[in-house]
Amino acid sequence: KAGVTQTPRYLIKTRGQQVTLSCSPISGHRSVSWYQQTPGQGLQFLFEYFSETQRNKGNFPGRFSGRQFSNSRSEMNVSTLELGDSALYLCASSSPGLRNTGELFFGEGSRLTVL
Amino acid sequence: GNSVTQMEGPVTLSEEAFLTINCTYTATGYPSLFWYVQYPGEGLQLLLKATKADDKGSNKGFEATYRKETTSFHLEKGSVQVSDSAVYFCALTYPTGNQFYFGTGTSLTVIP
Repeated sequence: KAGVTQTPRYLIKTRGQQVTLSCSPISGHRSVSWYQQTPGQGLQFLFEYFSETQRNKGNFPGRFSGRQFSNSRSEMNVSTLELGDSALYLCASSSPGLRNTGELFFGEGSRLTVL
Repeated sequence: GNSVTQMEGPVTLSEEAFLTINCTYTATGYPSLFWYVQYPGEGLQLLLKATKADDKGSNKGFEATYRKETTSFHLEKGSVQVSDSAVYFCALTYPTGNQFYFGTGTSLTVIP
């Protein structure tokens, strides 16, 4: 069974640009979450999608947005990049259903560097 | 609000040493508690979990007990191996929610 796939794995952008990251969840998983991982802050929740609907959003500015497609693939977008957006962005999927079963399956992440 | 605090690293141990990584949490109600592990070059993966007070989660020789009275979920292993070298994250979530709260991670290096 294929795991969670994130693309691209590495990217470098400059301040003011925008970036789109992609995540393909495990087949059959309908929930996709995004987290930002930085050395000082650990993992910070960005948002979670279930069946194309955003169910929850973390405390990030509006420059961070996302969406989910009918095949459960998800994208997140960061506009007007700032130096502080440099981080590892992790996508996680979880098993079908509305109840939280408690296990997230993570991709290897997309490492964004903003210069 | 909800939060997780875990001991700062990095932690360096010799093989076969005893490991404890402390984790405390702040939450209302009855969250579920987790330890996730991130091996070098790999994505995070679930190590163990406990869903109610006094439950003990265990996996691969690691154990953690959900202590509601002390709001703690400390990770322990009696004899670590070089292959246990990784970053360990304590986390909580609610069964009816969909957001996880993670600690900042503790890096463990085990030397032969």
